[in-house]
Amino acid sequence: KQEVTQIPAALSVPEGENLVLNCSFTDSAIYNLQWFRQDPGKGLTSLLLIQSSQREQTSGRLNASLDKSSGRSTLYIAASQPGDSATYLCAGEGDTDKLIFGTGTRLQVFP
Amino acid sequence: EPEVTQTPSHQVTQMGQEVILRCVPISNHLYFYWYRQILGQKVEFLVSFYNNEISEKSEIFDDQFSVERPDGSNFTLKIRSTKLEDSAMYFCASSARRRGGQPQHFGDGTRLSIL
Repeated sequence: KQEVTQIPAALSVPEGENLVLNCSFTDSAIYNLQWFRQDPGKGLTSLLLIQSSQREQTSGRLNASLDKSSGRSTLYIAASQPGDSATYLCAGEGDTDKLIFGTGTRLQVFP
Repeated sequence: EPEVTQTPSHQVTQMGQEVILRCVPISNHLYFYWYRQILGQKVEFLVSFYNNEISEKSEIFDDQFSVERPDGSNFTLKIRSTKLEDSAMYFCASSARRRGGQPQHFGDGTRLSIL
């Protein structure tokens, strides 16, 4: 059974720092790994999707990597801004197409 | 950019009542999903739906739950007799393809409060 864990649970940093958010999964048989952003009381915004055949994806200041053999994905945020403050969720899609979510990392970027 | 739309944004219902949560997926998508998030907990999968059939359902999705695509645009989740523990944020999602590098797109959710 797939389990997804995210570390750290919370992170508070000054504006401008580069960040790494970690996601680990127990079953390496995943097809896609998707990163989301969730603002308080809001829905999930898809940030990046990495297919199992890929090692990384980039979108603007965001870069996500995937290492299936070690069961890990990282989300790198460059030059963080206060507007990046949100909860970041990773989710793995396995043999069936349901997403298994981690508990999230709550990020606060202060000016 | 096309988006998934959910209504209502907030639903308050007495325990034992029926509720219907509505979703309009992205128009060219074929795969539809419901997830829920109890306050402070992980987002959990409920059900997936393709070609007018349930593809997969979780243990949470018992006989009290049902899904329907009544027309070409709407996708609904019905809870027949609500319980206090059904209080959660319910998210609808849609995708163009399975396992084909297409992300699942989520709506803003319906907050369901059972009194």
